[in-house]
Amino acid sequence: NAGVMQNPRHLVRRRGQEARLRCSPMKGHSHVYWYRQLPEEGLKFMVYLQKENIIDESGMPKERFSAEFPKEGPSILRIQQVVRGDSAAYFCASSRGAPGANVLTFGAGSRLTVL
Amino acid sequence: QKEVEQNSGPLSVPEGAIASLNCTYSDRVSQSFFWYRQYSGKSPELIMSIYSNGDKEDGRFTAQLNKASQYVSLLIRDSQPSDSATYLCAVINAGNNRKLIWGLGTSLAVNP
Repeated sequence: NAGVMQNPRHLVRRRGQEARLRCSPMKGHSHVYWYRQLPEEGLKFMVYLQKENIIDESGMPKERFSAEFPKEGPSILRIQQVVRGDSAAYFCASSRGAPGANVLTFGAGSRLTVL
Repeated sequence: QKEVEQNSGPLSVPEGAIASLNCTYSDRVSQSFFWYRQYSGKSPELIMSIYSNGDKEDGRFTAQLNKASQYVSLLIRDSQPSDSATYLCAVINAGNNRKLIWGLGTSLAVNP
């Protein structure tokens, strides 16, 4: 049973390019969460999705960032027109059900570097 | 006041000692509490979950929950250098969206 799979593990982009980060949840998990972590800082919640639905996007910047979790395929976090401040580790987590008694399992993360 | 607060540390303990990590939360009706460990450059991994007042033990780890005082702690007995990491406290709030609220973490250094 593979865990939460994230790819790419490392991504380098130049300012103004687009970054797409993918996350496949654990088997049997239908809830996906995206977090951002800057160096030496804590986890920052971005978005919580279920299949085809965004449940909570209160942590997502209003511009340039979007997320989806289609019926088929992985969840995608998309960052358009990247800037240097977007350089961070982006972690995806999944759970079987809603937060509460269902613990989150994290992927290894995708590290974005914007040149 | 932050919703979940942790002392950032670093907390430094000698090998073999007990490390005590504390976390306070502001939402009085929070129900679920989690401790995650994050090694430098790695992703968080679940150490303990606790849902009711009292102690919960798992190997060298003990989670303690006191809802009246709104704190949850993690004790690590016989600390090892491999325990050196950042420990993140997370709390489920009681609102409609039952969001998981994270502390900023406490850095622990176990010195050989």
